[in-house]
Amino acid sequence: DGGITQSPKYLFRKEGQNVTLSCEQNLNHDAMYWYRQDPGQGLRLIYYSQIVNDFQKGDIAEGYSVSREKKESFPLTVTSAQKNPTAFYLCASSTAGGPNEQFFGPGTRLTVL
Amino acid sequence: AQRVTQPEKLLSVFKGAPVELKCNYSYSGSPELFWYVQYSRQRLQLLLRHISRESIKGFTADLNKGETSFHLKKPFAQEEDSAMYYCALSGAGGATNKLIFGTGTLLAVQP
Repeated sequence: DGGITQSPKYLFRKEGQNVTLSCEQNLNHDAMYWYRQDPGQGLRLIYYSQIVNDFQKGDIAEGYSVSREKKESFPLTVTSAQKNPTAFYLCASSTAGGPNEQFFGPGTRLTVL
Repeated sequence: AQRVTQPEKLLSVFKGAPVELKCNYSYSGSPELFWYVQYSRQRLQLLLRHISRESIKGFTADLNKGETSFHLKKPFAQEEDSAMYYCALSGAGGATNKLIFGTGTLLAVQP
């Protein structure tokens, strides 16, 4: 089954803890992205990667970190420095080299208790 | 600054009525505009992009550079069109796929 997967679907974390969200794709896409979706604010770009071992900050990178060690995987860590981490997180991937269609995962809803 | 504005949070219409979801953008170069849609319990997915000049599920969108708009239109709304619609702009030049999204418009088509 081809596509982009995110796990877990729901995640709960205590304040002060770091947590890592998984994103995997088997579409052979070079580019991957993390967005945060909040009610009334649309999607905001956290980090993106256009190639393995390289990534760039998006508009709201503070309090987040990523790695891109494999083409298929782009995990996002929400650190304790993120002041308002409760949100819906979406991962996406696309072919590189221009404004191409992005394919989205099902999302992870993170709740900080 | 690059920005996408969708002025309506909610648009409610009756089945068979025309639909227009508004999108305005701010961008200094040649924009690439997209409409993404999220149906209930489904993933966000591409509906259409201006460069394709296609009609998808009866929807069309024309890029108006003079008015910096990319409104989404459909002449006769169907109940299955009810969804969240996001307008998006590709930014930072043509070498990247970075997207700037609007805040979205929830379309509710009443029977």
